[in-house]
Amino acid sequence: DTAVSQTPKYLVTQMGNDKSIKCEQNLGHDTMYWYKQDSKKFLKIMFSYNNKELIINETVPNRFSPKSPDKAHLNLHINSLELGDSAVYFCASSQTQANEQYFGPGTRLTVT
Amino acid sequence: AQSVTQLGSHVSVSEGALVLLRCNYSSSVPPYLFWYVQYPNQGLQLLLKYTSAATLVKGINGFEAEFKKSETSFHLTKPSAHMSDAAEYFCAVRSSGGSYIPTFGRGTSLIVHP
Repeated sequence: DTAVSQTPKYLVTQMGNDKSIKCEQNLGHDTMYWYKQDSKKFLKIMFSYNNKELIINETVPNRFSPKSPDKAHLNLHINSLELGDSAVYFCASSQTQANEQYFGPGTRLTVT
Repeated sequence: AQSVTQLGSHVSVSEGALVLLRCNYSSSVPPYLFWYVQYPNQGLQLLLKYTSAATLVKGINGFEAEFKKSETSFHLTKPSAHMSDAAEYFCAVRSSGGSYIPTFGRGTSLIVHP
């Protein structure tokens, strides 16, 4: 009965590889987000989708590409991984753009 | 524009002592304010929120926060700390209209000693 789930929980990969992180919410929410949390715990919004439409695209390298096949899913694909991409990536969702966010458990990405 | 400052990256208390985590915000429009808790290796969980109703907001696990407009503060308190309260706490602000994306503070790590 997990509300917001992410897979995988841990991801270790080498520089230059391409990887994806999947996110699913079963709350019936309209809006989904991707955040990056760095080693100092700072949380930064990356993307926001509302009803499968991109509404927020912060200053993120274009190696990062979100994809929302339906309202319940928002996946994050990362090309040509770099050392600086190592972080914890959180997916979140909210009923609408105006409501509080519910977070997934996070995906710890380590690029070696 | 909006921003959040959490004073103290670490706060240490004894079990049973008062918990006070400080949060000051700036916002050009009336704000909505949130406190989230992050336990080790987990995602963020909403503790409580202020959305322009009562200024004293009660949340889960015995936490509460008071919105003070004159001081632009939204400090989080709990009368008696439990060991299980040890976690990272994040204050967040967003505007009541326009951009709904919250801005998060840098977090405060709460350490509870036996």
